[in-house]
Amino acid sequence: GAVVSQHPSRVICKSGTSVKIECRSLDFQATTMFWYRQFPKKSLMLMATSNEGSKATYEQGVEKDKFLINHASLTLSTLTVTSAHPEDSSFYICSAPGLAGGETQYFGPGTRLLVL
Amino acid sequence: AQSVSQHNHHVILSEAASLELGCNYSYGGTVNLFWYVQYPGQHLQLLLKYFSGDPLVKGIKGFEAEFIKSKFSFNLRKPSVQWSDTAEYFCAVNAMDSSYKLIFGSGTRLLVRP
Repeated sequence: GAVVSQHPSRVICKSGTSVKIECRSLDFQATTMFWYRQFPKKSLMLMATSNEGSKATYEQGVEKDKFLINHASLTLSTLTVTSAHPEDSSFYICSAPGLAGGETQYFGPGTRLLVL
Repeated sequence: AQSVSQHNHHVILSEAASLELGCNYSYGGTVNLFWYVQYPGQHLQLLLKYFSGDPLVKGIKGFEAEFIKSKFSFNLRKPSVQWSDTAEYFCAVNAMDSSYKLIFGSGTRLLVRP
């Protein structure tokens, strides 16, 4: 089946620094990828849709200048958390639509971000 | 706006007990429905999905779900749970006019006692 990877799996950073998280589709191409945020003991919240070759589409309430998304190629999307604050600490998960029809999403393993 | 509600936040069962997890969604149009599972320390995996056709769908590991359109529901069931079913279960909806965006329910944490 389709595989999505994320790097890094965990990151700890100081407040005020920026952190880049990569999402790769390993054995298929993805013109669209999705970024989610999962709070402890809560559900996944869709943050934005990453589009290859064009700007990302952000969900309401998500700061696009805070969470920069770049879909550099058909297999790579990156999420950069800029000027990170402790409240940005969370679990970030990406997904990509599968090969057949796109309705089924394949999820990456997630990146746990801790901002001190 | 679309939303998904999962009624049970925590469920504790003994092995061999039957399981039913509720899921309701709000959206007036055509939807695709999913159940995802997240085992401890692992990433989300698709359990089953409904796109069209027979409203009773069967997934992996003996799970099934029934789409009842009139009730906007897509409840997950398993006749006999195992310890290895301990995980978090998420119901999700994708409106067919929303470019594959998934809206998730709040999740249900299932603990199966041996």
